[in-house]
Amino acid sequence: AQSVTQPDIHITVSEGASLELRCNYSYGATPYLFWYVQSPGQGLQLLLKYFSGDTLVQGIKGFEAEFKRSQSSFNLRKPSVHWSDAAEYFCAVGSYSGAGSYQLTFGKGTKLSVIP
Amino acid sequence: EAGVTQFPSHSVIEKGQTVTLRCDPISGHDNLYWYRRVMGKEIKFLLHFVKESKQDESGMPNNRFLAERTGGTYSTLKVQPAELEDSGVYFCASSQTPLAGGLLNEQFFGPGTRLTVL
Repeated sequence: AQSVTQPDIHITVSEGASLELRCNYSYGATPYLFWYVQSPGQGLQLLLKYFSGDTLVQGIKGFEAEFKRSQSSFNLRKPSVHWSDAAEYFCAVGSYSGAGSYQLTFGKGTKLSVIP
Repeated sequence: EAGVTQFPSHSVIEKGQTVTLRCDPISGHDNLYWYRRVMGKEIKFLLHFVKESKQDESGMPNNRFLAERTGGTYSTLKVQPAELEDSGVYFCASSQTPLAGGLLNEQFFGPGTRLTVL
């Protein structure tokens, strides 16, 4: 069965500093990988996804992630954090369930706090 | 275009009562998913509808949970009778079915319903 590990429950960074959120997955086939963000009172918003091809994927809001098959990792990065990035971040792996659809298996999430 | 909406945003009930959660997907999305996050745990898949049919309900915890999607539009998730361990945030998501040969389409999530069972 697939699983996702986000080892950091809570991270605090200073505004303007770089950010890396870790994600490791376990999945038997080629994984479909996602990063979502949830701001308070909002639904989960997709930041980026990896299905195949270039292992460095660009997303919205200046985020990027790199797929490393040898390490079973899909870490999220941002070169300079803004105060508005404070939110909870979820890594997920999608398992295909037929008819063009899939279910997501999520990690426990990482809460990001940004200090001025 | 309106996003996925869920109602209510928050529900507080007593153990043994019944609660019904509603999800309105994005118009035209055939796929509708329910997920749940119990406090301190991961967001977990509950079930998946394709139009009005249940494609996968492997994540439903037990028979106290009943999901419906009559007419293939909005969906309801009923918990009857509610237990303390049912407390959590229930998310709904929807997606389009990709065209032939296309890759997976994004799941768009609603804001969730926070259920508290006392």
